[in-house]
Amino acid sequence: NAGVTQTPKFQVLKTGQSMTLQCAQDMNHEYMSWYRQDPGMGLRLIHYSVGAGITDQGEVPNGYNVSRSTTEDFPLRLLSAAPSQTSVYFCASSPGLSGETQYFGPGTRLLVL
Amino acid sequence: RKEVEQDPGPFNVPEGATVAFNCTYSNSASQSFFWYRQDCRKEPKLLMSVYSSGNEDGRFTAQLNRASQYISLLIRDSKLSDSATYLCVVNTFNDYKLSFGAGTTVTVRA
Repeated sequence: NAGVTQTPKFQVLKTGQSMTLQCAQDMNHEYMSWYRQDPGMGLRLIHYSVGAGITDQGEVPNGYNVSRSTTEDFPLRLLSAAPSQTSVYFCASSPGLSGETQYFGPGTRLLVL
Repeated sequence: RKEVEQDPGPFNVPEGATVAFNCTYSNSASQSFFWYRQDCRKEPKLLMSVYSSGNEDGRFTAQLNRASQYISLLIRDSKLSDSATYLCVVNTFNDYKLSFGAGTTVTVRA
């Protein structure tokens, strides 16, 4: 099992550009989520999904879109990048829906100029 | 008020020492509690769940105090490899959203 994979590892964008952060898991987990991590602030939930075709907003959803067409994939789209979106982005999956172990991907470091 | 608050540290301790730190949570309906470990520039990984009666995993002991709404982590006989940031994570029953603390940094020196 590869676990949770994320691409790219690093990305530099200009303000206003759009891009998609990819996330995939091969553990057949129903629950997937996207977090961003900023210094001194802990991980904040952007969007999450409890199964294919179902997504919902987390704590900081503005400026991001997600979709879940398959159990395996959960891409995160930045619609129009802003410097405030400079962060480290982690995708996670979990076998259950009640707070069981979250398996995190290696992260994507994004810099928006 | 943040849902989960941690002393950021850093806790700088010598090898072999004991170090302990707490995490407070604001939602009294919280049901699940975890400690995650995050190494520099890496993804978080589950260290241990925290049970109502307290639990140990080798040199690590976690405690839950529901009355005062905090959890604690104690590391005995610290190793250099224990140097990391420890994240407190809280979940409310039937809520799919975990709340993360900002982390407590521990540095173990030789």
